[in-house]
Amino acid sequence: AQRVTQPEKLLSVFKGAPVELKCNYSYSGSPELFWYVQYSRQRLQLLLRHISRESIKGFTADLNKGETSFHLKKPFAQEEDSAMYYCALSTNTDKLIFGTGTRLQVFP
Amino acid sequence: NAGVTQTPKFRILKIGQSMTLQCTQDMNHNYMYWYRQDPGMGLKLIYYSVGAGITDKGEVPNGYNVSRSTTEDFPLRLELAAPSQTSVYFCASSYRPEGSEAFFGQGTRLTVV
Repeated sequence: AQRVTQPEKLLSVFKGAPVELKCNYSYSGSPELFWYVQYSRQRLQLLLRHISRESIKGFTADLNKGETSFHLKKPFAQEEDSAMYYCALSTNTDKLIFGTGTRLQVFP
Repeated sequence: NAGVTQTPKFRILKIGQSMTLQCTQDMNHNYMYWYRQDPGMGLKLIYYSVGAGITDKGEVPNGYNVSRSTTEDFPLRLELAAPSQTSVYFCASSYRPEGSEAFFGQGTRLTVV
């Protein structure tokens, strides 16, 4: 079965602390993984994708096929990072499947 | 830049009523999706389409229908509204699923009473 798991519903940190939002996936094919972010009162938008190997707003994510994980990391959290974060999986049957999301709260 | 446009933004339905949530995109994307977002449940895929005339079921299709007569439009139909369909609905489109960005509408908040 194709599934994306985000074990933490809420992650609270103080400004300047490191952040890691966990994402695990279940998929028998070759996965394409994404992180999407939803800021308050804004549309869901792409943060980064694994094939680009990019760093966006200080966030990075590495695909670990052995652990079937795609954790999102940032070394120093900022207050403006507070948002809802979704991990997503694209399958070879054209579906785009999302996890349950993690709400990140960054306190000053 | 219109992107993905959903209408209406808010709606209250009575049990048993029907309605259509409209979604249109102006990016000439082949792929379109409908999701519902429930608290603590994330985004669940209802239906998706890989091009005009082609639709397929997602994770939670029961109680919904879709059509895709044009590339631009992908309406979602609720025939007999039930309280379990109270949710926020999002439409999205992408050029293709592999590696490309999905663009989302602003959402429709539906309450069934």
